[in-house]
Amino acid sequence: DTAVSQTPKYLVTQMGNDKSIKCEQNLGHDTMYWYKQDSKKFLKIMFSYNNKELIINETVPNRFSPKSPDKAHLNLHINSLELGDSAVYFCASSPEGMSTDTQYFGPGTRLTVL
Amino acid sequence: QKEVEQDPGPLSVPEGAIVSLNCTYSNSAFQYFMWYRQYSRKGPELLMYTYSSGNKEDGRFTAQVDKSSKYISLFIRDSQPSDSATYLCAMRSNYQLIWGAGTKLIIKP
Repeated sequence: DTAVSQTPKYLVTQMGNDKSIKCEQNLGHDTMYWYKQDSKKFLKIMFSYNNKELIINETVPNRFSPKSPDKAHLNLHINSLELGDSAVYFCASSPEGMSTDTQYFGPGTRLTVL
Repeated sequence: QKEVEQDPGPLSVPEGAIVSLNCTYSNSAFQYFMWYRQYSRKGPELLMYTYSSGNKEDGRFTAQVDKSSKYISLFIRDSQPSDSATYLCAMRSNYQLIWGAGTKLIIKP
C-alpha cells in the first residue's frame, strides 16, 4: 500500500499553461511538503503545510500555490508555466512539524515545460 | 557559502569497498542530522537519523557527527551494487531544514 502517492508521474506541457499535481498520503501525518529537485539533484523545499500553518519558501514564485482539501491531500497548482519550471516535484509528509520527524517522500512528478 | 556543502560526485568504488560520504555545514544551530538515499527516478528515503555528536550504527551503515568540526559522515561497509544511488544529507534546527546537493555513488560489481 503506497504511503505517499503523486499523480501524474510525468507531465509534459507548453509554456504558459496552468497545471496541477496531486499528492495524497495515507500515513495519518499532520504535515505535508512540496519539493523541487532540479537537474543537478538539488532538493529545494517549496512549501510546508499542516492544518494550522502554511510556510512558504520566499524564493518560490507566486505562480505556485498549494491547495489542501483535507489533511491527507496537498495539491500543487502552477500557473503560467515557464521553461525553468521543468524539474521533478516531490511531495512528502511527516508526523509532526519540521522540528522533529522524518519525512516520507512520494515517487515524484517529472514536469517538462516545452 | 552554502549552509550545507556536499560533493556531488559521482563516487565510483568496487563492490566490497568501504564508502565514506561527507557533508560540511556552517550553521551551529543544526541539531538533527539525517542521511537519505535516493534511487534513480524515486523519492528520497531515510537511512539514518542522529541527534548528537558521535557514531550511530545500523547494519552496514554508520553515521558519524562531529559538531565541533561541523562535519558529518556516512560510512557503508561491504558495499553492494544495490547501494548505488544518490545519498543526500539533511540537517535541521528548530526553524529550518536544509538539504545537501547529494552525492551520486556507483558500486561496480
